[in-house]
Amino acid sequence: KAGVTQTPRYLIKTRGQQVTLSCSPISGHRSVSWYQQTPGQGLQFLFEYFSETQRNKGNFPGRFSGRQFSNSRSEMNVSTLELGDSALYLCASSFGLGPGTQYFGPGTRLLVL
Amino acid sequence: DAKTTQPPSMDCAEGRAANLPCNHSTISGNEYVYWYRQIHSQGPQYIIHGLKNNETNEMASLIITEDRKSSTLILPHATLRDTAVYYCIVRVNNAGNMLTFGGGTRLMVKP
Repeated sequence: KAGVTQTPRYLIKTRGQQVTLSCSPISGHRSVSWYQQTPGQGLQFLFEYFSETQRNKGNFPGRFSGRQFSNSRSEMNVSTLELGDSALYLCASSFGLGPGTQYFGPGTRLLVL
Repeated sequence: DAKTTQPPSMDCAEGRAANLPCNHSTISGNEYVYWYRQIHSQGPQYIIHGLKNNETNEMASLIITEDRKSSTLILPHATLRDTAVYYCIVRVNNAGNMLTFGGGTRLMVKP
């Protein structure tokens, strides 16, 4: 079974631009969660989607948004990029809500100049 | 979710057992202990989880104290590929999939 895939793997943007990252969960998984990882703040939860509905949201500004499609694929968008948004963005999928065992993708490394 | 405390770093000789401790003294009765690890520049990888009984799988063993205030992840025969940051996470099992990661323990396996 194929793992979680994320595209693109690397991205360079400039301040003020917006970016969209994509995540395809493991086949059959309906929950997708997003995390941001930076050297200073570590791994932080962004949001979680299940059956196209946002279930949980972390403490991030409204510039960070996401959505989930009917095929469980998910996208996250960051508008008006800031230098501090440079990070590794990780997507994780799981079968349902709350079993706790999540499977992470390789991440998208975003550099904001 | 209960807060966890882990040593920031540990060393282990290749082939020896690696014992990674985690303190979760404020754990509630319905909270599980999960372990994930992150090898450099990769996404975190699930290792094992448990409620109160000791658990073992092909990767590791999880020993939870009787009062559940601490636990130990055991890698029985550490290899160089086990060098990673290990995260202990305590959470309820029916409140969504959000994971709260602390600083973890950076395990260095040395030849």
